[in-house]
Amino acid sequence: GAGVSQTPSNKVTEKGKYVELRCDPISGHTALYWYRQSLGQGPEFLIYFQGTGAADDSGLPNDRFFAVRPEGSVSTLKIQRTERGDSAVYLCASSLIRGETQYFGPGTRLLVL
Amino acid sequence: SQQGEEDPQALSIQEGENATMNCSYKTSINNLQWYRQNSGRGLVHLILIRSNEREKHSGRLRVTLDTSKKSSSLLITASRAADTASYFCATATDAAGANSKLTFGKGITLSVRP
Repeated sequence: GAGVSQTPSNKVTEKGKYVELRCDPISGHTALYWYRQSLGQGPEFLIYFQGTGAADDSGLPNDRFFAVRPEGSVSTLKIQRTERGDSAVYLCASSLIRGETQYFGPGTRLLVL
Repeated sequence: SQQGEEDPQALSIQEGENATMNCSYKTSINNLQWYRQNSGRGLVHLILIRSNEREKHSGRLRVTLDTSKKSSSLLITASRAADTASYFCATATDAAGANSKLTFGKGITLSVRP
């Protein structure tokens, strides 16, 4: 595809439920990043993949958050036992190689009721 | 934690005027990137400047970087109503070549009046 795509665009769930957010990076990009953006704030780093492996997951807030990238392309961010404080826009970005320009997807707006 | 701090927080100008936005950061960087965001959704990459560069141009955009002052500025010349958006600076730190995650500021809201 031409750019980074994310699905779903919007997700409404109830407190305590499990959600999966998907990111499809630009074809050929080896590095993939997840960020979270709360209202009125800049994006905050969650996790970074180089290929299939999570090279840095220091931004994940707690063990309810987990992400995978099994084949080095599509990535899924998984949130267990969602809480209202998890409500935010979840952004995915990819870059050709580490250290180069990161291209962002449109984001998934998650609302936990 | 957010490393970059942009100022001003909000800027309102008339179409045709120039807009200057500033960003300061705290730690050593590998590069600094400016992004634009409309309506709180996807970020559009504007320009990347590396730590060994002092100035870059792209169309109506001019970015400067002063690593001694740990600051950068984004200049948009001849602004248009379509430039109305939030602008973020983001720094990439690269400790021993390990990573390139971006650390963003809170952003600047630019309004360009027609």
